[in-house]
Amino acid sequence: RKEVEQDPGPFNVPEGATVAFNCTYSNSASQSFFWYRQDCRKEPKLLMSVYSSGNEDGRFTAQLNRASQYISLLIRDSKLSDSATYLCVVKRDTGFQKLVFGTGTRLLVSP
Amino acid sequence: DAGVTQSPTHLIKTRGQQVTLRCSPKSGHDTVSWYQQALGQGPQFIFQYYEEEERQRGNFPDRFSGHQFPNYSSELNVNALLLGDSALYLCASSLEVRGNRLGNYGYTFGSGTRLTVV
Repeated sequence: RKEVEQDPGPFNVPEGATVAFNCTYSNSASQSFFWYRQDCRKEPKLLMSVYSSGNEDGRFTAQLNRASQYISLLIRDSKLSDSATYLCVVKRDTGFQKLVFGTGTRLLVSP
Repeated sequence: DAGVTQSPTHLIKTRGQQVTLRCSPKSGHDTVSWYQQALGQGPQFIFQYYEEEERQRGNFPDRFSGHQFPNYSSELNVNALLLGDSALYLCASSLEVRGNRLGNYGYTFGSGTRLTVV
């Protein structure tokens, strides 16, 4: 079983739609959580960190449920420019730190 | 303020050959991590270098080796290339902050080296 699991998609949505991505992680020692965005053939870029209390950044809302080891990302009012792959990432804060990536969920926003 | 620089950007090699990829970290960063991203997959951790030593490695064979130099730059070497080594190789730099257990330590990714093995 992979340490971080995501539905690979693709999710095809029209502009203006609301879309949600989910992610589960298996290592309970994971302590930091992030969503990264990756455009085709480019490097991943940090979209937002995910906090236990939930957090919002404009049209993006991230939630964390430590008990269920579950992370979500909600995108409201989708734009064409949101088309990308969204990577769920966890980091263990024991010993040295490394980022563990999910497979990514591909989002395609159409006019 | 230069970000992470990787070279070359693209590379085509033949099976059995050896390759060296290079990474210059972001100014002020002292830790370099290498990731392999195959098509349709998320980045997979190869290893991390800090203070010129490999701290931990992921599930990669000994054909994958690396080095970190005193100026914090790093190299990834892959010997006896296989077709399955074709991937995007990403370098990420960060700053080791002892005692700080939260945050992503400002991980910054380079744009990667796309390796094709034929």
